[in-house]
Amino acid sequence: AQKITQTQPGMFVQEKEAVTLDCTYDTSDPSYGLFWYKQPSSGEMIFLIYQGSYDQQNATEGRYSLNFQKARKSANLVISASQLGDSAMYFCAMRAASGGSYIPTFGRGTSLIVHP
Amino acid sequence: GAGVSQSPSNKVTEKGKDVELRCDPISGHTALYWYRQSLGQGLEFLIYFQGNSAPDKSGLPSDRFSAERTGGSVSTLTIQRTQQEDSAVYLCASSRDIHVGDTQYFGPGTRLTVL
Repeated sequence: AQKITQTQPGMFVQEKEAVTLDCTYDTSDPSYGLFWYKQPSSGEMIFLIYQGSYDQQNATEGRYSLNFQKARKSANLVISASQLGDSAMYFCAMRAASGGSYIPTFGRGTSLIVHP
Repeated sequence: GAGVSQSPSNKVTEKGKDVELRCDPISGHTALYWYRQSLGQGLEFLIYFQGNSAPDKSGLPSDRFSAERTGGSVSTLTIQRTQQEDSAVYLCASSRDIHVGDTQYFGPGTRLTVL
């Protein structure tokens, strides 16, 4: 069975500071993909960044980077130079071919509030 | 190009009525998913379609829920005899395929309120 755990229900960060949102995962499949999404108060889920299980380097997309530690089964999202517009819910997700089903598994999310 | 679109954006209905929610995926995407998100909660998987394969309905909470996808494109989620606990945001997503690296792109959602 696949599982995503996000242990931080809420996080606070000062504008322009960096923040790390935690995500741990569990799967027995050697091939899997890890995703982060942002959900602002408007409700739409916005794709941020992807990391494949066989990728040698950590993924980066602008101010977003993914700290992928395969042995620890963690895929933390790092947001550098936080902006007020980063205030949102953040969801970690995983897709693996478990039993032939490719249904993505989502974590419960972390609420990030950026203070001015 | 155009993203995933959903309609209506908001739907208010009375308990016991049927509702239909529509999703237009990104052109060329073979996989389409429906999720439900209750207030302040995570995503609950409902159903997904992939190409011409039989849909995976394993997440549908009851037989009041059904979905179809016509012509491999537009999908409709139908909830019959709505109940107050059906009130939630219904999100649709599509992906190019169902491989582990295929990113899901989400629509803006339909907020359903059952009175």
